[in-house]
Order: sequence, then structure tokens, then C-alpha cells
Amino acid sequence: QVQVVESGGGVVQPGGSLRLTCAVSGFTFSRYTMHWVRQAPGKGLEWVALISYDGNNKDYADSVRGRFTVSRDNSRNTLSLQMTSLRVEDTAVYFCARDLWELLIGYYFDYWGQGTPVTVSS
Amino acid sequence: QSALTQPASVSGTPGQSITISCTGTSSDIGAYDYVSWYQQRPGRAPKLVIFDVSHRPSGVSNRFSGSKSGNTASLTISGLQADDEADYFCNAYTIYSQRVFGGGTRVTVL
Repeated sequence: QVQVVESGGGVVQPGGSLRLTCAVSGFTFSRYTMHWVRQAPGKGLEWVALISYDGNNKDYADSVRGRFTVSRDNSRNTLSLQMTSLRVEDTAVYFCARDLWELLIGYYFDYWGQGTPVTVSS
Repeated sequence: QSALTQPASVSGTPGQSITISCTGTSSDIGAYDYVSWYQQRPGRAPKLVIFDVSHRPSGVSNRFSGSKSGNTASLTISGLQADDEADYFCNAYTIYSQRVFGGGTRVTVL
């Protein structure tokens, strides 16, 4: 069955950096666009970034563009999110999610991990 | 402040139908039919229940239905059950290539 497991969250000071990883299994990773979505404590969801199935296309929410970088290793079935210049408002649980459609850059998220918490605080 | 506007809470009794609205603009909901809905139970990851405005993924109950009119999308849950208690979030693709969520609606089964 499909499994999506995030890791790498923790506590970091404002201005610091953190790298999140998402390990997947149960489907052909290289055929799916992947997304990062976050949820601040007690708040709603916010789409953060995507990377196409082949890694050639990336896009970011305006709130993180220029600070976050998404990447993937299709040989290792892993997705990463490098976060730099972190701000207090980046505090959230970060979810990794699979796109609904194969071989497309889509609009929907069908399989999600349980999330990894990131706290930005001095 | 979220890009899409949802009511904070909606409640109903078992067996009743409820509808959650999601209001956007001509730049998101009104621009495309790329509207989806997610159910999130406490402490759990979100679950896709509607995509392309009104389509259900395999395995999702047909008690869930979606629609859209102009800049507003709606999710209807018919035959409300205790298991439907959760937060529900709408999502839309925008003309700026962003994917925006609503603030979420807490559904309570009385």
C-alpha cells in the first residue's frame, strides 16, 4: 500500500535553516508530481511547493519563494524541502502529498503523510 | 487570512444534509473547474473527498457531492453521520499558478 513518511522537523531559530525529507513507497514515485503543504497550529492548510514527476518543473507559494527549495531523488524515492531564512510564521506541520494524476502537474493531493512539525522560535 | 472564504462551522443532526460554501474570486474558483475538497479528522492527515468540482475519488462515499456557481463552490454531505465530524477545506487553482485553500469549516454532528 502507499506510504508517505516525512521527517526532519524540529525547532530552529529565526533566520535558520532546516531540511525536510519525505520517503515514499507503494507506488512508482518517478511518475508522480509531489507537493508540500503546511498547516500552522490551529490554522488552515497552505500549499507550499511542488516538483514535477521528472524534477524539471518546480513552483512555490509566494510566501516561501526564494527561501525554500524543493528537490527529489527518483532513484531513492525521496522528496526534500530545503528551508532557509526561516521566519516565525513558517511554524507549522509540513505534509508531503502525492498528486492525484500520473505524469501531470496537477491540482489535487491524494496521498498524504502524517506530517513533520517545524517550530521557528528564539 | 485565507484566499478562499468558508464558514467557520456548520452543524447538523444525523441523517440531515448540510452544505459548506467556499467563496473565491474570478481569479480562482471562477476561473477554472480545478476545485477540490479535503476532510481532516483531528490529528490526522487530510483526505481528498472531491476533485474537479464534483468528482469523487474511488472509495469516497456518494453522500459527498460538490458543485460550483460563479465564484462559489459548495460541498454537500447528505445523510449526515457521526463519522463525518471533521474539518473540511476547499482548494482551488488560480490564474497565478497557485493552489489556495479556504480557512476550513468545522462540521459538528449534533
